[in-house]
Amino acid sequence: SQTIHQWPATLVQPVGSPLSLECTVEGTSNPNLYWYRQAAGRGLQLLFYSIGIDQISSEVPQNLSASRPQDRQFILSSKKLLLSDSGFYLCACGGLIRREAFFGQGTRLTVV
Amino acid sequence: AQSVTQLDSHVSVSEGTPVLLRCNYSSSYSPSLFWYVQHPNKGLQLLLKYTSAATLVKGINGFEAEFKKSETSFHLTKPSAHMSDAAEYFCVVSDGGSGNTGKLIFGQGTTLQVKP
Repeated sequence: SQTIHQWPATLVQPVGSPLSLECTVEGTSNPNLYWYRQAAGRGLQLLFYSIGIDQISSEVPQNLSASRPQDRQFILSSKKLLLSDSGFYLCACGGLIRREAFFGQGTRLTVV
Repeated sequence: AQSVTQLDSHVSVSEGTPVLLRCNYSSSYSPSLFWYVQHPNKGLQLLLKYTSAATLVKGINGFEAEFKKSETSFHLTKPSAHMSDAAEYFCVVSDGGSGNTGKLIFGQGTTLQVKP
């Protein structure tokens, strides 16, 4: 089964600073990859999904971008963080038709 | 378009009593439905899934859920709650449309509290 590695586990960044969160996947090839954000006390919001290298779709307009330079690597970035970017970010893979998605352990981002 | 509604934001039960977490879905297609559990500051773990096979689905840790098409429901149950069951639970429907993206659409979550 798939294993998702996500780092760092926690991150405190000042407003206006850049962001790079990395996710790598083991145990599968050509996976669908996803970035979700969970704000405090709320459900998960899909930010980006990718069905292949350099094939990325954005679900909501925002201060973030995503890239997929390799088949099993998915990166979430920002040039200038906002306070509203704080949250718990989860990388996931899988989710094909009738298949579940597997999640990483998440990154707790606090923008101060 | 698919959507999912978790009817309770917070459920409190005593240890050893039954658990019921309610979920209703809306889908234009034959849906795939999942329940995930999230412990504090952790990733999500799959509890069980429904993918058009048996309507009563058994999952891990004694949880099960029943798919009822007539009621568009997929409620999660457990006969006897354990302290370790205290967590956030998410009902999820899969995007099964023509895009085949497999996107998961999450409910807002239900916090399960288990009292000793």
